[in-house]
Amino acid sequence: EAGVVQSPRYKIIEKKQPVAFWCNPISGHNTLYWYLQNLGQGPELLIRYENEEAVDDSQLPKDRFSAERLKGVDSTLKIQPAELGDSAVYLCASSLGLAGGGASYNEQFFGPGTRLTVL
Amino acid sequence: QKEVEQNSGPLSVPEGAIASLNCTYSDRGSQSFFWYRQYSGKSPELIMFIYSNGDKEDGRFTAQLNKASQYVSLLIRDSQPSDSATYLCAVGRGSTLGRLYFGRGTQLTVWP
Repeated sequence: EAGVVQSPRYKIIEKKQPVAFWCNPISGHNTLYWYLQNLGQGPELLIRYENEEAVDDSQLPKDRFSAERLKGVDSTLKIQPAELGDSAVYLCASSLGLAGGGASYNEQFFGPGTRLTVL
Repeated sequence: QKEVEQNSGPLSVPEGAIASLNCTYSDRGSQSFFWYRQYSGKSPELIMFIYSNGDKEDGRFTAQLNKASQYVSLLIRDSQPSDSATYLCAVGRGSTLGRLYFGRGTQLTVWP
């Protein structure tokens, strides 16, 4: 079974430039997550989708970040414009969600991540 | 107080020893508990989960949960150099189903 796919793996941009990350979750996983991970820290949730619906985006800096999951499968996270402090690893994860039942809802599987460097 | 706290480490043990990794959490309503392993430059990999008080064993790994003390631990028996990684504790609340709260991780080194 294929895991979570992310692209690109690495991205280097100048500040104020836009950038986009793409994620394709594990087949059959209805819930998709975008996390940000800074060096030496645990992942922090940016946004969670249940199918096409963003159900938890309280941590997403909406002035510059946006995300979409139009068909309930793959997703795109965008930053415009990027700032120096956005340099981090952006992780996508997926889980069965409600279809998994109970606590297994939270069994999340991560993609390889995109390492963003803003110069 | 952070949602999830882990002993900061780094933790260094010899090959063959037992490594003990600890985690405490602040929300008494937490219901699901996970341990992820993260190798340097890689993404987190789910290795254990536990939902009920007590011990759960999977090979060389044992997760222990004590909800009264708000404490979860991971024991790695017969530690191997390949176990050297950062171990992340993650907690799921009942009130915010679907969101995991991660600790900052404990770096483990197993030396031959």
